[in-house]
Amino acid sequence: AQTVTQSQPEMSVQEAETVTLSCTYDTSESDYYLFWYKQPPSRQMILVIRQEAYKQQNATENRFSVNFQKAAKSFSLKISDSQLGDAAMYFCACITSGSRLTFGEGTQLTVNP
Amino acid sequence: DVKVTQSSRYLVKRTGEKVFLECVQDMDHENMFWYRQDPGLGLRLIYFSYDVKMKEKGDIPEGYSVSREKKERFSLILESASTNQTSMYLCASSFTIRSSGNTIYFGEGSWLTVV
Repeated sequence: AQTVTQSQPEMSVQEAETVTLSCTYDTSESDYYLFWYKQPPSRQMILVIRQEAYKQQNATENRFSVNFQKAAKSFSLKISDSQLGDAAMYFCACITSGSRLTFGEGTQLTVNP
Repeated sequence: DVKVTQSSRYLVKRTGEKVFLECVQDMDHENMFWYRQDPGLGLRLIYFSYDVKMKEKGDIPEGYSVSREKKERFSLILESASTNQTSMYLCASSFTIRSSGNTIYFGEGSWLTVV
């Protein structure tokens, strides 16, 4: 079975500070992509960052970066210089070559002014 | 812009009714997915499809069925709606993983209340 686990139901961070959201996954396939999606109160899913499993280099997108530890099956998201607009539910997800797309339980991020 | 369109945003159905939730995408995506989202449980995969007429069970298929007769349309069917199926249902689509620029696209969600 393919699983994605987010062990932090809620996190909070001060504006301008850095926060790390944790995610672990398990899949028997060697070919897969990992994602972080953001879901604001509007419920629209917004892609934050994407990582191909075959790439060793950690993906970065402006203030967002990941720490991809393939052997440990860990895929954490670091948000630097947090902004009020970063407050949302964050989902970690994994899609494999078998087309199965699995999400974690989500982490609700609060940004305090 | 890629669009994933869910036919109904808000529905109220009675227990025992048959319910159809429709999802249409306009990007010729091979993969289509149906999830339900409940507080504290994240997005749980109900069914997915990787080609026309092909479907696979997700993690919570009980009480649901799906249909994919055309590549662009993926329907979720609740044969006999029950109150525990009250939830937000989210459709998504994507190319296969081997396509470059793999990205998942989502609909806006369908809020279903079963009374």
